[in-house]
Amino acid sequence: GQNIDQPTEMTATEGAIVQINCTYQTSGFNGLFWYQQHAGEAPTFLSYNVLDGLEEKGRFSSFLSRSKGYSYLLLKELQMKDSASYLCAVGPDSWGKLQFGAGTQVVVTP
Amino acid sequence: DAGVTQSPTHLIKTRGQQVTLRCSPISGHKSVSWYQQVLGQGPQFIFQYYEKEERGRGNFPDRFSARQFPNYSSELNVNALLLGDSALYLCASSLKGSGTNEKLFFGSGTQLSVL
Repeated sequence: GQNIDQPTEMTATEGAIVQINCTYQTSGFNGLFWYQQHAGEAPTFLSYNVLDGLEEKGRFSSFLSRSKGYSYLLLKELQMKDSASYLCAVGPDSWGKLQFGAGTQVVVTP
Repeated sequence: DAGVTQSPTHLIKTRGQQVTLRCSPISGHKSVSWYQQVLGQGPQFIFQYYEKEERGRGNFPDRFSARQFPNYSSELNVNALLLGDSALYLCASSLKGSGTNEKLFFGSGTQLSVL
């Protein structure tokens, strides 16, 4: 089975940097995803890591260490619109399943 | 190009009723997955279909069923609705549905309320 842990909530001020950690335990690994989800909306794809290292995409970066079962999402130059839930997910497995964490609610304050 | 489309956007049903949710994947994608998301939790896997065949099923009762059509669109059916079925139902589209470099893209979801 798979177990994915991420913090429940994080608060940061506009313009700051926030790092959201995700740890996972999995019997197989095909990749790690980060999704952003605003309240009442569907998750939107942010990043995908399958190899160790850092992937940078604008203000968002994602890091993966497969040996440690660890990833983080780095949000730079925070904006009010970045207030959302950030979901870490591992997979898809051979059954097509993505296993999601419960999500980290990021609150950006002025 | 159109993304993943789902219908309806919102739905209100009463206990015991049946519901059908619909999803059209991104053009060229042959895999559709269904997820249930209860408020405050991450999405939970219900089914995946690839090339019209069920590939995987999550831990959901037999009241949940789905199918995929030749054009790769999909329907999710839930019978004998319970209050606990109230959730956001998400459809995800991907090329093959499993393996590395296989990215899933979600539709806007159907918000189901069971009264």
